[in-house]
Amino acid sequence: SQQGEEDPQALSIQEGENATMNCSYKTSINNLQWYRQNSGRGLVHLILIRSNEREKHSGRLRVTLDTSKKSSSLLITASRAADTASYFCATDSSGYSTLTFGKGTMLLVSP
Amino acid sequence: DGGITQSPKYLFRKEGQNVTLSCEQNLNHDAMYWYRQDPGQGLRLIYYSQIVNDFQKGDIAEGYSVSREKKESFPLTVTSAQKNPTAFYLCASSWGDRTTDTQYFGPGTRLTVL
Repeated sequence: SQQGEEDPQALSIQEGENATMNCSYKTSINNLQWYRQNSGRGLVHLILIRSNEREKHSGRLRVTLDTSKKSSSLLITASRAADTASYFCATDSSGYSTLTFGKGTMLLVSP
Repeated sequence: DGGITQSPKYLFRKEGQNVTLSCEQNLNHDAMYWYRQDPGQGLRLIYYSQIVNDFQKGDIAEGYSVSREKKESFPLTVTSAQKNPTAFYLCASSWGDRTTDTQYFGPGTRLTVL
């Protein structure tokens, strides 16, 4: 089964609002990454957080990691219509030699 | 999409035919990957290669084959043994041989079996 699972599956908000997506995983990890995919395109790396980090920021993105709960969250502040995309978490973990991607959260930001 | 190109963007195949999807990168990355994405689903790993002339099966390798004769190129062949090949195929690459590093993706190839 896939290591990471995003929640919610879909999220619809208005421009200017914040969007929060969550990712849960099952086994211990070295790092967790978030990627973005516009419809019909390839994935773009957003941010990587290591297992010894609790929070990381990049522009309007804020990622948290709670290794005790095996979960991470991605917060996009002041959302824009251009943020409309699917967002995936990817984990590396013991027993897996490559990244494992979740099924993603589809975010729709309406003007 | 960085320095990774995939061709063609759209590909149509008749049942029973083999087709080859191209993936080229100019990022000087050692590792390359092929993923399959079905509608509303995440990415599933087909094959990956950490170095030239070497590759490993991913989670869903059956019905697919790859080669890695050059560092820049990692073509994927979808064979007639793949029972349900209609999907979106993504190629990616990463630095070094650490396959858990950040990956850079191509724009994808959408394969449809007629």
